[in-house]
Amino acid sequence: AQSVTQLGSHVSVSEGALVLLRCNYSSSVPPYLFWYVQYPNQGLQLLLKYTSAATLVKGINGFEAEFKKSETSFHLTKPSAHMSDAAEYFCAVSDRALGLTFGTGTRLQVTL
Amino acid sequence: EPEVTQTPSHQVTQMGQEVILRCVPISNHLYFYWYRQILGQKVEFLVSFYNNEISEKSEIFDDQFSVERPDGSNFTLKIRSTKLEDSAMYFCASSEVTPGRGLAGELFFGEGSRLTVL
Repeated sequence: AQSVTQLGSHVSVSEGALVLLRCNYSSSVPPYLFWYVQYPNQGLQLLLKYTSAATLVKGINGFEAEFKKSETSFHLTKPSAHMSDAAEYFCAVSDRALGLTFGTGTRLQVTL
Repeated sequence: EPEVTQTPSHQVTQMGQEVILRCVPISNHLYFYWYRQILGQKVEFLVSFYNNEISEKSEIFDDQFSVERPDGSNFTLKIRSTKLEDSAMYFCASSEVTPGRGLAGELFFGEGSRLTVL
């Protein structure tokens, strides 16, 4: 069975500070990993995905994530937070033919 | 830019009533999905659909749920007799056929349909 664990349901950073959202996965086969963002009252938008190519994946809005097999992690980072980054972020894993398993989400708050 | 559209954006219904949530996937996509998100909880997989049949479903997707592709554009989720615990945001998603192993493609999500069961 596949699963993801997102550490920290709420993260607060100052504008301009580093953003680090943690995700650890469990999968019986090499996984595909995703980060999605959900802005208030909107649907889920793909930030980036890992599909067994480069381990450092760059996504939209300046976000990136690094796949570390030894740590079973896929943490999301951004060097400098912006107010517009405030949203809920979901890590997801897929090791089956279809369907994603989502984590519980991390709400990112950005303060002045 | 092509997008997944869902209707209604919000529906309020009485317990025991039937509800149909509608989705128009991206036109060249062949895999369709329904997910739900109960308020304050994680996004949960309900069902996937390909070639006019269910490919995979979760434990949540019991006999009160059904999906259908009634025509060439719509993909619907029917809840036969709604319960209070069905109150949630329901997301439709679609993806292109991905040859080879697994789901390497991106799922495109709609903005969701919020269902409130009273």
